[in-house]
Amino acid sequence: DSGVTQTPKHLITATGQRVTLRCSPRSGDLSVYWYQQSLDQGLQFLIQYYNGEERAKGNILERFSAQQFPDLHSELNLSSLELGDSALYFCASSTRDDLRGLAGNTIYFGEGSWLTVV
Amino acid sequence: AQTVTQSQPEMSVQEAETVTLSCTYDTSENNYYLFWYKQPPSRQMILVIRQEAYKQQNATENRFSVNFQKAAKSFSLKISDSQLGDTAMYFCAFMKHYGGSQGNLIFGKGTKLSVKP
Repeated sequence: DSGVTQTPKHLITATGQRVTLRCSPRSGDLSVYWYQQSLDQGLQFLIQYYNGEERAKGNILERFSAQQFPDLHSELNLSSLELGDSALYFCASSTRDDLRGLAGNTIYFGEGSWLTVV
Repeated sequence: AQTVTQSQPEMSVQEAETVTLSCTYDTSENNYYLFWYKQPPSRQMILVIRQEAYKQQNATENRFSVNFQKAAKSFSLKISDSQLGDTAMYFCAFMKHYGGSQGNLIFGKGTKLSVKP
């Protein structure tokens, strides 16, 4: 158990709908990351938050958005869903302030949220 | 831009034997981290081992060790005394040490390892 909690574990929804994925980081971790794993794109970085602020952005679609709340949990919102959005969405967390580049910064992953768009 | 290449889509090994998974990467950075993650059929991403680029000593975690060749930009994973539970997809990943994109793990396509009894 990595200590990163994601809900829901599985979700089936129709095209055009909107869903919210939730993540609770490990206790004490300030950084939260979202990754998407699909068959054709592999593992892709979407977005990172550090202590409530957006820190880095990857290949995240405009239809997707995320935020990190004061209690450090994060939500990934996916809207106007398309069949191609079906994927495993991982949340991950790490302890250190990345920008200070401290040794020991390791990213731990949750179990993922399976999203199926039909 | 950084890239990570795993040239072996699939590998198999007999239980108790040793297997090496290959990974090469391309970067102009001097300071970075390299990781191997394991993804078993449950699909959870499990950290296997981490290497800091500034450390010349190869990282070791029990039966798992790496051969880090910085000049060649190579980062292979050796699994000794393979066990059935090692059956999984293995991903090599790169992360810059500094900068705004810190935390952006760049993954290879993965190597599917099967351990046979």
